[in-house]
Order: sequence, then C-alpha cells, then structure tokens
Amino acid sequence: SYVLTQPPSVSVAPGKTARITCEGNNIGSKSVHWYQQKPRQAPVLVMYYDTDRPSGIPERFSGSNSGNAATLTISRSEAGDEADYSCQVWDSASDHWVFGGGTKLTVL
Amino acid sequence: QVQLVQSGAEVKKLGASVKVSCKASEYTFTTYYIHWVRQAPGQGLEWMGLINPSSGSTNYAQKFQGRVTMTRDSSTSTVYMDLSSLKSEDTAVYYCAAERTHGASTTGYFDYWGQGTLVTVSS
Repeated sequence: SYVLTQPPSVSVAPGKTARITCEGNNIGSKSVHWYQQKPRQAPVLVMYYDTDRPSGIPERFSGSNSGNAATLTISRSEAGDEADYSCQVWDSASDHWVFGGGTKLTVL
Repeated sequence: QVQLVQSGAEVKKLGASVKVSCKASEYTFTTYYIHWVRQAPGQGLEWMGLINPSSGSTNYAQKFQGRVTMTRDSSTSTVYMDLSSLKSEDTAVYYCAAERTHGASTTGYFDYWGQGTLVTVSS
C-alpha cells in the first residue's frame, strides 16, 4: 500500500517561514491535500490539489508537489498556526485514501 | 454550510461492537461520499473506508475488511459505521468526513468533518 512520510515535528520562529514535507513514491504524480488539526478539534482542510486554498485560509499558506515530496509552506508564521498538519492522497492503485503520519508545528 | 453531527462517546468491552452515527444536513445527501477516519490517542489520522450515500456501495480499507460495516439511511440523511470484535487498539476518536462528488468521480479530499466520537474499549 502507498505510504506517506512526514517529519514528526517542525519548529519555526514567529514571523518566519515553516515548511512541512510529505514524502511518497512519485508523489508528484498524485494530488496532495493538507489538513490542520488543533487540539481536541476535528481536522480542517487548508490546501487541496497541491496548491489550492479553500476560502478562509490565509494567503500565507501555500503548497507545492514534485518528484517524491510535497510541501506545505506557511509564511510569516503566527502563534495561531501551531497545530498538527497531515497530508493526504488518493491512491489509485488500491482505490484507498491515505494519510501521512502528521507533523506537529511549534511556533516559538 | 454542510453539517455532520456525530453520536456521543461510547465505552465498550473487548470483543463487543460499536455503532457510530453521522447525521448530515444543509446539503443534498447524495452529493457527498461519507468517509470514516479514526485517530488513536497521540497518533495520526487513519482512513477506514467510505460509503456512497446514493448507491450504498462501500469501499473499506484492507485493515478493517471483515470487521467494519458502513450503512446509510437516506430517509434521515444518516450514515452509520459499525465496528465489531473490538480490541484495545480500537480506542480512538472516530470522525466522519465528506468528500464532494465531481461529475462521475469525486474530488479526493474531505471538505467537511464531523465533531468526532470517542470510542473507548476496555476490559
């Protein structure tokens, strides 16, 4: 089955740029989606189809996807961006939906 | 605005079954597939499967084949997830999530999520 690998944690200083990676075999050929999850809350979609932002998500959030890695980039990081971020794809080979293990973003 | 409201927390014994509901509102029931995703304490999100509310067809993750059953009641716009032979490792928050249909296919991502249902399995 298809596997997505994320770093367990990423730290960033306020106002700086955070980059969260999601690695998978030839992930560039798939559409990657990202979710933000704050403690005791349900996940929220923050990026879809690699680079598209849902309405209400700040322009500070952007995405890219190429080769074997997709990246969620958060510019001008704020304390309110602290959360777990998970990537997700649909694997056509198995017709299953797959999540990465999640990355805890700390803004300090 | 699509709303998914799940049933309340459950405490079950080892080997028992649990049935969690997800009531949809504020949209046409058949325009979104409903998926079930769980999250064990301190762990990541895990996809369990989906149901097409229009046809009732299902697609389960290999890991849960034989133990999970997803059904729907179109008259009440409610989807159910039944998990049997519960193990301690099934202790988790269970979410329903909606994936919009897109012509003959679907978008591949989850626009809306329920609030989550904590299922605790104890001996």
